Amino acid sequence: QVQLVESGGGLVQPGRSLRLSCEASGFSFSNSVMHWFRRAPGKGPEWLAGIGVGGDTETHYADSVKGRFTISRDNSKNTVSLQMENLRGDDTALYYCAREGYSSGKCGAFHIWGQGTLVTVSS
Amino acid sequence: DIQMTQSPSTLSASIGDRVTITCRASQTINTWLAWYQQKPGKAPKLLVYKASTLESGVPSTFSGSGGGTEFTLTISSLQPDDLGTYYCQQYSSYPPTFGGGTKVEIK
Repeated sequence: QVQLVESGGGLVQPGRSLRLSCEASGFSFSNSVMHWFRRAPGKGPEWLAGIGVGGDTETHYADSVKGRFTISRDNSKNTVSLQMENLRGDDTALYYCAREGYSSGKCGAFHIWGQGTLVTVSS
Repeated sequence: DIQMTQSPSTLSASIGDRVTITCRASQTINTWLAWYQQKPGKAPKLLVYKASTLESGVPSTFSGSGGGTEFTLTISSLQPDDLGTYYCQQYSSYPPTFGGGTKVEIK
């Protein structure tokens, strides 16, 4: 079964760190471009970071998280992670991982998503 | 960043109705547009990519059209399973950006 399962969310104080993980199954993870998104209440999804099949040499970040968040992958565990530092109240959201499409016309769209993990930043 | 604007933000319709959701880009994106459906507590689901190509397994009651800066998602005959929130997303340039969503309710 093709699926992505996120974990690691929770309640964290402002200024602290949190590491999210996303485990993939049912498809070729090592050949997949993977991304992290979040959706705050009442808003549309926000793209945060992406990582190519080459790993750490192929990463991209949204300006809103650049320097605070780090995306990484472990192909031996079919896992993509998001390390989040210096968390703020406006980082409170549901965080999702997704696989980017690879066929013609679909590169840049996201065709497999997890159900998300909730991160709440509050004192 | 390219801004994506959806309308309406909420839509209430009856079973069998034809429903249209509009998405406007702040600059031209050719046809690099995707539509997603999200039900409460569920993962987003890709419905349409390249503005008008239906993802495998998506019912033919869904269709996408448009290009440049104006796009529409149409449900030809609304079904109970279609309730949820719909998002458009451009992938013409980085960063990929989404509309604010259209919540579809059943009357």
